[in-house]
This record gives sequence, C-alpha cells and structure tokens, in this order.
Amino acid sequence: DVKVTQSSRYLVKRTGEKVFLECVQDMDHENMFWYRQDPGLGLRLIYFSYDVKMKEKGDIPEGYSVSREKKERFSLILESASTNQTSMYLCASSLAGATNEKLFFGSGTQLSVL
Amino acid sequence: SQKIEQNSEALNIQEGKTATLTCNYTNYSPAYLQWYRQDPGRGPVFLLLIRENEKEKRKERLKVTFDTTLKQSLFHITASQPADSATYLCALEGTGGFKTIFGAGTRLFVKA
Repeated sequence: DVKVTQSSRYLVKRTGEKVFLECVQDMDHENMFWYRQDPGLGLRLIYFSYDVKMKEKGDIPEGYSVSREKKERFSLILESASTNQTSMYLCASSLAGATNEKLFFGSGTQLSVL
Repeated sequence: SQKIEQNSEALNIQEGKTATLTCNYTNYSPAYLQWYRQDPGRGPVFLLLIRENEKEKRKERLKVTFDTTLKQSLFHITASQPADSATYLCALEGTGGFKTIFGAGTRLFVKA
C-alpha cells in the first residue's frame, strides 16, 4: 500500500532554532508537497517539488525552505523557528503530471515553537 | 482571489440519516474537485474526485455532485454511521495545475 512517512509526529523547538521536517514516500511519485494546517484556515501550501532538485514556492513560503536531493525524500526547513510557525505540517505526494488528481498525505508533524 | 468555503460549523446528525456537506468556490473554473476525510491528528485521506463534465459521482455510501454554474459541490453520506465522524475537506485544482487548494473543512459528528 502507498505510504508517505513523516519523521516525527510531535516536535517541540525553541524560537530561533533551525528545524528539519523530513518526509519520505515509497510510491515513486514525482510530485511532493508541504502544507501547514491551522484551525479555521485549512491547509495552506508552503512549497512543492515536481522533480528532484526542483522546487516551487507555494502560497506561504516565507520563513521556510525545502530540499529534494532524492526522489523519495522532501525536507522542509525552518531556518529560524518562530512562535507563529507552531502548526501541523503535512507532507503529500502525487503522480507526475501538471495536475494532482489524488494526493497521498503523511500523518503530519505537530510542531510547537516555544 | 480564489476562495473555497465550507461550513465552519460542525454538522451533528443521527445515525442512519444522510449527511450533506457543502463546498462553494469563487473565482475558479476547476477541471475537477476532490473530497478528503481527515481524522483528528492524522493526514487527509482521498475519497472521491469529480470532473467538471460530471454531474454526480458515487462510491458505496458516498455521493458527490458538482454544479459548475452554481460553483458548488455537495457531498452526501447515506446511512451514516458513528465511524463516519471526521472532518471532510473539499479541494480544487489551483491555478497552474500543480497546486491543490483546500477548504477549511466541515466537522461531522454522527450520534448513535
């Protein structure tokens, strides 16, 4: 069965720390995505990648960066964590193509920045 | 700007009844629309996709309609069960194709 694995379910970090969130998929999908989810706001796209070493900004990229060195792995980096980055972070993947007809999500990482 | 609206109030229904959730969108002409289910503390799970040229789609107890004139989709769960209690998210293809834009979701509670 298809699987998207996020490295941590819960993380607690301090303001100013550099934070790495890791995501691995085993479906050989070309497209990978990072969303954050906040109550009342739904899922908002941070960054996505449609190929190895390729990345595109989503709707809220400020304060984040990403890395995709291998097809199966997509990392989200918080360069200097701030309290307003406390959120649920969700990684997703989909098959190649310009349209994402079905996204597969990981279980999410609940990040708290103190 | 593009906007997706789902009823932010939770929907409470009795077991066995039909639950109907609404998704409205503006400033979009999506080629398709998707519905996902999300349980607390978990990632969303894909349920159904309906294309712009399809009026209705069914999968077991689920039915989705897509009215491109009204810019609205309705999501129905017939013979609802307590296990159907979850948050249901509507999603549309965003501009440029790569982006999938999500609504904030509607929480459904089915009482036994």
